[in-house]
Amino acid sequence: DTEVTQTPKHLVMGMTNKKSLKCEQHMGHRAMYWYKQKAKKPPELMFVYSYEKLSINESVPSRFSPECPNSSLLNLHLHALQPEDSALYLCASSRGGLAGLGNEQFFGPGTRLTVL
Amino acid sequence: KQEVTQIPAALSVPEGENLVLNCSFTDSAIYNLQWFRQDPGKGLTSLLLIQSSQREQTSGRLNASLDKSSGRSTLYIAASQPGDSATYLCTQGGSEKLVFGKGTKLTVNP
Repeated sequence: DTEVTQTPKHLVMGMTNKKSLKCEQHMGHRAMYWYKQKAKKPPELMFVYSYEKLSINESVPSRFSPECPNSSLLNLHLHALQPEDSALYLCASSRGGLAGLGNEQFFGPGTRLTVL
Repeated sequence: KQEVTQIPAALSVPEGENLVLNCSFTDSAIYNLQWFRQDPGKGLTSLLLIQSSQREQTSGRLNASLDKSSGRSTLYIAASQPGDSATYLCTQGGSEKLVFGKGTKLTVNP
């Protein structure tokens, strides 16, 4: 299995809703990432988990809450989002260690989030 | 501060043409450079990864080079096809995380 999967593919939510995005990989990778991508922009790093511990938090608002239950799963819990949070949310993983330190990064297909 | 710049921002070529996409970076302490392709509304597909100790990598019609001294990488696409139409992103690895360029949007016309 050489892929990163994300569910759901599309999500529409109101500003008072609570929802979660899920990401899964079975490649034995030990680093997992959440990115946010707005239209015609490059991905922006949100969070990095390395060996199931939060390694990088790019000062993301607390309405986004990451969780790494085990080495294969990564969740992003959403609460009280704003319309400007509408974007493509991408999950990625890399083997052994952090992508920035020489490890190839693999991306999932993304979740298209719309906040009404 | 690490910065990655990609030129041109957009490129339109006829099918069959050989082309070069450029990427420049400011941080000489580079760990790797990775090229991705992204189709509209989709995730990123890894094309090539060049470690800092390497000068180039090849995969099929793609060849990527890395010149640390000049802070540049190029992605060469041979015999372009309409299916190559996508946005191409380069990323520099350094200081734990990747820094992305803004991408080159490539259109290959039949």
